[in-house]
Amino acid sequence: AQSVTQLGSHVSVSEGALVLLRCNYSSSVPPYLFWYVQYPNQGLQLLLKYTSAATLVKGINGFEAEFKKSETSFHLTKPSAHMSDAAEYFCAVSVDSGYSTLTFGKGTMLLVSP
Amino acid sequence: DAGVIQSPRHEVTEMGQEVTLRCKPISGHNSLFWYRQTMMRGLELLIYFNNNVPIDDSGMPEDRFSAKMPNASFSTLKIQPSEPRDSAVYFCASKVPGGGYNEQFFGPGTRLTVL
Repeated sequence: AQSVTQLGSHVSVSEGALVLLRCNYSSSVPPYLFWYVQYPNQGLQLLLKYTSAATLVKGINGFEAEFKKSETSFHLTKPSAHMSDAAEYFCAVSVDSGYSTLTFGKGTMLLVSP
Repeated sequence: DAGVIQSPRHEVTEMGQEVTLRCKPISGHNSLFWYRQTMMRGLELLIYFNNNVPIDDSGMPEDRFSAKMPNASFSTLKIQPSEPRDSAVYFCASKVPGGGYNEQFFGPGTRLTVL
């Protein structure tokens, strides 16, 4: 079975500062990894995904994530935070097994202060 | 593309009443998922369908919950009778055929309040 751990339920940054949201996964087979963002009162929207092509994945809104197999990590970064980045971020893992459901982490709320 | 459509967006009901949530997946997607999101438990997978067939309903909390997918373009999640602890946001998501590298597309959710 797969699992995801997101370190920190809340992360606070200042506008213009680096954003780093941490995600570690556990999987006995090669994983596919996803970051979703949820803005207030909305559904989840895909930010980016890792599907075993390039280890550095670029997504929407200037976010990127790097797959590090040795560290079983898939941390999400953005060089400069914007007020509009304030949202909840979910890391998720899937594998090519059965019906390929997603296993989500508990989410990290990103707070951006002016 | 209209995306995943859910209705209603908000539902307020009284304890003991029947509640029906509706979902229309994206055309061409053959997998459909129902999730529940609460502050305490986060995002929970309740049930999922593949080609209209329920595959795993182990996440359904109680027999009060039931889900159907009569055709490829419509699914319902029913709670009967509803209880205050069922208050949550319920999301529907759909996915194209294929492997685990295909992402799920989420609807806007239904916010359920049971008084």
